[in-house]
Amino acid sequence: DIQVTQSPSSVYASVGDRVTITCRATQGISKWIAWYQQRAGKAPQLLIYAASNLQSGVPSRFSGSGFGTDFTLTISNLQPEDFATYYCQQAHTFPYTFGQGTRLEIK
Amino acid sequence: QITLKESGPTLVKPTQTLTLTCTFSGFSLSNNDVGVGWIRLTPGKALEWLAVIYWDDDKRYNPSLMSRLTITKDTSKSLVVLTMTNMDPVDTATYYCAHSLYSISSFDFWGQGIPVTVSS
Repeated sequence: DIQVTQSPSSVYASVGDRVTITCRATQGISKWIAWYQQRAGKAPQLLIYAASNLQSGVPSRFSGSGFGTDFTLTISNLQPEDFATYYCQQAHTFPYTFGQGTRLEIK
Repeated sequence: QITLKESGPTLVKPTQTLTLTCTFSGFSLSNNDVGVGWIRLTPGKALEWLAVIYWDDDKRYNPSLMSRLTITKDTSKSLVVLTMTNMDPVDTATYYCAHSLYSISSFDFWGQGIPVTVSS
């Protein structure tokens, strides 16, 4: 299986900050990474697909980049509703696998 | 508007079989590229992909659970059913079904999830 490792596992930030979360795959997965946001008690929401494509309806302060094994999710100008847990998912090879999550908390 | 909703028991005993139904609207599982998958969120907040079924009846399973899982679809009734046999307390989780497109391989619409506890 292709494993994906997220870092950091938690990050503290303030409203207006810029935050970067990284995901590393154990082998090359081309552009096939997706990013999700999960707020407490809610279902995950797709933010980014195929590394850099913004899902419809997602604010433009979210962006993604990377290719191969290393990927990043960047959130600019943090808003109060962005404090949540974020997951990456490799979408290159079955079985699909998720990162362990990054908890974004208010400083 | 795409919506999905999971239904089934929220409490099962060890060794029992879990049957979950995903009822959806706003799309058809007979359309090219469309799939419905199942993912669970453990109490430790880990997401685990379980299975997916596509418009052409292609089915994929997580190998770690494959011997216990079956996914089927009823296109005319707009539903997908996941069965998991021999349930164990470690299978306690919130189970989600989600819409997927084969071409982007990610899950763009999710159900609200159903919490399942495995306990005697």
